[in-house]
Amino acid sequence: EVQLVESGGGLVQPGGSLRLSCAASGFTVRSNYMSWVRQAPGKGLEWVSVIYSGGSTYYADSVKGRFTISRHNSKNTLYLQMNSLRVEDTAVYYCARVRPRDWFDPWGQGTLVTVSS
Amino acid sequence: QSVLTQPPSVSGAPGQRVTISCTGSSSNIGAGYDVHWFQQLPGTAPKLLIYGNSNRPSGVPDRFSGSKSGTSASLAITGLQAEDEADYYCQSYDSRLDYVFGTGTKVTVL
Repeated sequence: EVQLVESGGGLVQPGGSLRLSCAASGFTVRSNYMSWVRQAPGKGLEWVSVIYSGGSTYYADSVKGRFTISRHNSKNTLYLQMNSLRVEDTAVYYCARVRPRDWFDPWGQGTLVTVSS
Repeated sequence: QSVLTQPPSVSGAPGQRVTISCTGSSSNIGAGYDVHWFQQLPGTAPKLLIYGNSNRPSGVPDRFSGSKSGTSASLAITGLQAEDEADYYCQSYDSRLDYVFGTGTKVTVL
């Protein structure tokens, strides 16, 4: 079964850091495009970052320079390192596989990041 | 911010047909990029509903259908059921902004 399971969310102060993990099963992370999408409380979906199978990475302007997407091939796991966190980064963060014509499937269950003092 | 515009809400009685529009621009839908749709039930992760403008993954009822024309796309739900009450999002690719989502539409079954 193709599945994604996120972890690493929690409460962090503004300016702090957090690393999210996304463990994949049923497929190989390094052979796929993988992405992070977030959803602020009561708001819509916002794309955050993508890593291509070749290793190229791209970010939304709102997180560029602060977030870093990466993967660990032998652990079949995707990561999102989040630095200089802001209150507006508070959201549920989902990881998702990006399919060849740019749709997201499957999605993980999400992990909540709360940035507050 | 979202660059694909959807109506905030639509509603219908059980058995009725409702449609959700998704309006983009020449840098995303109008540039020929595919439109995909997701259903998000309360408290859960989004689930793929329609991919490649009009294709249903296995397990998605044929009550759900998608179409695309010009710079817009639509999701139709026929024979509306109580279990269809959820938030729906369109998604595409944008040549300037990478992956983009719609503003989201809440479907209410009266």
